[in-house]
This record gives sequence, structure tokens and C-alpha cells, in this order.
Amino acid sequence: EAGVTQFPSHSVIEKGQTVTLRCDPISGHDNLYWYRRVMGKEIKFLLHFVKESKQDESGMPNNRFLAERTGGTYSTLKVQPAELEDSGVYFCASNGGRAYNSPLHFGNGTRLTVT
Amino acid sequence: QKEVEQDPGPLSVPEGAIVSLNCTYSNSAFQYFMWYRQYSRKGPELLMYTYSSGNKEDGRFTAQVDKSSKYISLFIRDSQPSDSATYLCATHGSGNTGKLIFGQGTTLQVKP
Repeated sequence: EAGVTQFPSHSVIEKGQTVTLRCDPISGHDNLYWYRRVMGKEIKFLLHFVKESKQDESGMPNNRFLAERTGGTYSTLKVQPAELEDSGVYFCASNGGRAYNSPLHFGNGTRLTVT
Repeated sequence: QKEVEQDPGPLSVPEGAIVSLNCTYSNSAFQYFMWYRQYSRKGPELLMYTYSSGNKEDGRFTAQVDKSSKYISLFIRDSQPSDSATYLCATHGSGNTGKLIFGQGTTLQVKP
């Protein structure tokens, strides 16, 4: 079984540019999550999809971040325009069944550097 | 006050030592607790998943939850250099949600 895959693994962009991160969850997992870790801080929740619907987007920092999951399969997270404070590692995770009592499986993350 | 507190370390031990990693949490309504291991440049990998108070053992790893003191622990017996990683505690929080609340992570180095 393939795990959660994320692309790209690393992205370096200039302030003001746009970046799109992609996540492919484990096949059959309805729940898909985005998390972010900025340097020196803990991993923080961004949002949760159930299939193609946003279940909880309480962690999204601001309207420069747009997440989509068309068709309930892979997801994209777009940052437009990027700011310096957006630098960090963006993780995607997925689980099946009930969201709250099923362990999350994480991808290896996308390391975003905004210069 | 953070919802989950974890000493970031770093923690350095000799091979074969018993390692104790700890977290505290703020809300007594939290029920599900996890320990993740994260190697450099990799994503968090689930080690242990526990519900409510008590101990859970898996090989060299034991997870312990003490709800009375809002304290969770991970013990590693006979530590190996391959155990060198960052260990993250996490909880689902108080609602029936998949959202995880993480501690900052403790960096562990096991020296041969």
C-alpha cells in the first residue's frame, strides 16, 4: 500500500510569488488533513477534508491560503501571494473511518522557503 | 498556556539506556493520545496510540497516560542508535475530530 505522497519535496520562491503544494492520500482514505510546522514551533493543524468537503478549516492562517480537494482524491494547497512567514514544512495526512479514533498517516512534507 | 507541552530537549543517552519522554496537557477532556517518531526530512510516523489512562506496550516501547495529572509518557527500553529521532506527543483534543494537537517534539540522540 502506497503511503501519503507529497509534491514537491522542497520549494524555494520569492515573496509575492505563488506556490501550489500537492498531496495524494492513501487510497480509500476519506479524511485528508494539512498541517504546518514553522521553525522552532510545534506542528499545527491547518484544515481537514472529508472527501471533497472542508470539514474544519479553523487553522488556515489567512485568505492567502486556498485548499482544494476536487473529486475527493488528491488535494492542493495554494499560497498566493507568499510571504516570508509562510516558510516552513507543510505536511499532509490521511486516515480512513472515523476521523477521531483512527490514526493519521503523514507524508514526508513539502519544505517551503520564501525569500 | 499551550494545550500540549513538551520539553524540546535535546536528550542524549548511551545505547542501551531507558529513555523517558514526557508531555503534559491542559484539558482533562482530552481522550486519545499518540506518540509519533519523526526522522530528519521525513514525516511523523505513528508509534503508539492510546485511549484514556493506563499503559500500552509494543516491543521496546511503552506509552503511559495518567489522566489525573494530565501527563503522558513514552518509555523506550534498550535504546538503539536507530531510535535517534524527534518524538512528538499529540492528542485529538476534546471533540470528535481528526484534528491533532501536537507538542513541540523532543529530539533524542542515542550514542553507540
